[in-house]
Amino acid sequence: QKEVEQDPGPLSVPEGAIVSLNCTYSNSAFQYFMWYRQYSRKGPELLMYTYSSGNKEDGRFTAQVDKSSKYISLFIRDSQPSDSATYLCAMGFTGGGNKLTFGTGTQLKVEL
Amino acid sequence: GAGVSQSPSNKVTEKGKDVELRCDPISGHTALYWYRQSLGQGLEFLIYFQGNSAPDKSGLPSDRFSAERTGGSVSTLTIQRTQQEDSAVYLCASSLVRGQETQYFGPGTRLLVL
Repeated sequence: QKEVEQDPGPLSVPEGAIVSLNCTYSNSAFQYFMWYRQYSRKGPELLMYTYSSGNKEDGRFTAQVDKSSKYISLFIRDSQPSDSATYLCAMGFTGGGNKLTFGTGTQLKVEL
Repeated sequence: GAGVSQSPSNKVTEKGKDVELRCDPISGHTALYWYRQSLGQGLEFLIYFQGNSAPDKSGLPSDRFSAERTGGSVSTLTIQRTQQEDSAVYLCASSLVRGQETQYFGPGTRLLVL
């Protein structure tokens, strides 16, 4: 079993929809959680970063962490075609050498 | 300033040949990471350099893989006697020292072993 599980998709939604992307994890040592966005043939770029349970909002993006359930989510409101990309969850812990453990990524397509 | 750069952007090689992949981190970033991204596998940690400390090589899949970082800046990942299963995108990232610092990724090198 992988430490971090993420549905690879693909996920296709109409423009304007609310998108929900999720990851589950098994290692309770993880302390901080990130969401990266990766466009085709590009490197991942950081979208959201949180290290506590609860919600964190940034514009159209909301990251949610539930440490008791070992479950994290990324919500995208008013999705746009430019949001079409692969979304990767990542997590790490202090003392872990800043190494991140990534999910496999969910491919998202927002259609006009 | 410039982001993380990697070269070459694409590399096609024959099975059994050695390849070298280069990473130029963001200036001033003391931490440097190599990851491998295979189809359907997500990003797999390979190796981590932090300043002058001994690198964390715990993610290297075999002794055919090695990496060095010269002068605390540029890093080279070397794969000896390449195998077809080494085909993947090799990503480099850098970050400021310590803590949960954001890792900034380069565009990757796409390696295809025929």
